[in-house]
Amino acid sequence: DAEITQSPRHKITETGRQVTLACHQTWNHNNMFWYRQDLGHGLRLIHYSYGVQDTNKGEVSDGYSVSRSNTEDLPLTLESAASSQTSVYFCASSESVGPISSYEQYFGPGTRLTVT
Amino acid sequence: LAKTTQPISMDSYEGQEVNITCSHNNIATNDYITWYQQFPSQGPRFIIQGYKTKVTNEVASLFIPADRKSSTLSLPRVSLSDTAVYYCLVGGPNQAGTALIFGKGTTLSVSS
Repeated sequence: DAEITQSPRHKITETGRQVTLACHQTWNHNNMFWYRQDLGHGLRLIHYSYGVQDTNKGEVSDGYSVSRSNTEDLPLTLESAASSQTSVYFCASSESVGPISSYEQYFGPGTRLTVT
Repeated sequence: LAKTTQPISMDSYEGQEVNITCSHNNIATNDYITWYQQFPSQGPRFIIQGYKTKVTNEVASLFIPADRKSSTLSLPRVSLSDTAVYYCLVGGPNQAGTALIFGKGTTLSVSS
């Protein structure tokens, strides 16, 4: 069955370190997204991609970057981790229907990141 | 982007029907209304989507009045496993990356 996976599921890192969170989907979806979820804020969009070599900034993109070299993967990199980036990170994907993206997004299980 | 307002929390008992209403006064002509469900320690899961009138699937029903300024997610005969956070989202096509703005959602607690 098609799925979307994230790794690692839990990560503890120190302030200033570079961290990369992996996201892999086998749905063959063009669209992929990264969100963070914090208490009191719901989910907030970090970056998204509509296809290979395409990346876009979301609502809270400062301090994060993504790259899309193939359809299946959209890794999220924290260039220099900060305590404010302690959060749960969710990756999601959706299919495109012509120029329109489906609103049915498939979410991964999440990565809990702690920056000390 | 249309802002949504929904109750922070709701309580119910097993077997009851639960209706969660979402207000979206500034909904645009091309906007769709989408609901997601999130269990603790899991990612959100798509429940239902609609544009107008009524949509029903195996999980829920979505009622949208003619003016589309609000919508109601209806969960028939809830069980303990329906305890979750429910998000109402409003957005239009061609805005995939930016239109999925999740608010704080409604925390539904189902008791026996």
